[in-house]
Amino acid sequence: QKEVEQNSGPLSVPEGAIASLNCTYSDRGSQSFFWYRQYSGKSPELIMSIYSNGDKEDGRFTAQLNKASQYVSLLIRDSQPSDSATYLCAVVLSSNTGKLIFGQGTTLQVKP
Amino acid sequence: SQTIHQWPATLVQPVGSPLSLECTVEGTSNPNLYWYRQAAGRGLQLLFYSVGIGQISSEVPQNLSASRPQDRQFILSSKKLLLSDSGFYLCAWNGGDTQPQHFGDGTRLSIL
Repeated sequence: QKEVEQNSGPLSVPEGAIASLNCTYSDRGSQSFFWYRQYSGKSPELIMSIYSNGDKEDGRFTAQLNKASQYVSLLIRDSQPSDSATYLCAVVLSSNTGKLIFGQGTTLQVKP
Repeated sequence: SQTIHQWPATLVQPVGSPLSLECTVEGTSNPNLYWYRQAAGRGLQLLFYSVGIGQISSEVPQNLSASRPQDRQFILSSKKLLLSDSGFYLCAWNGGDTQPQHFGDGTRLSIL
């Protein structure tokens, strides 16, 4: 089992729709979770951090964490073509202090 | 505010040539520093990380080495490049083990 798993996609949504990106992780002791956005040819950019169970909202983005289910998700409301990118889920492992494990990423396509 | 600088942006090198990529961080002290490689269409692979001057941890055996001669400087090197060293090299930093990492703009390395 991979430590951090994401569906590679592509996930295609129409402009204005809600995009839902999902991530599961294997380390039950993980406490820190991040979502990065990576445009083609560019470096990853942090868009959300979440540390506690529940929802965390920032503008059009909502991160959701369920530690019991070892599941973290990212919702993008009112999706725009500029949201088209690869979204990387990253988890800090409890067993290797500070080691950040990235999923393979989900490619999101927002169609006008 | 903190910034991370990475250069060069692109590099084309012949097989067997040496390599030196540099990364510097401004606006913080004693950062954790990381080198990643991202092959085309692939996920992020952690190569090295450093928690302090002269302290380097290697994640995978390879043709590369890293050094941290100053608190906010991280260097990735190779004595003889291989074709398999091609990829997108990313430097990142964070201020602590559970904090998100922030990436530089990356160096795209092509080996001929």
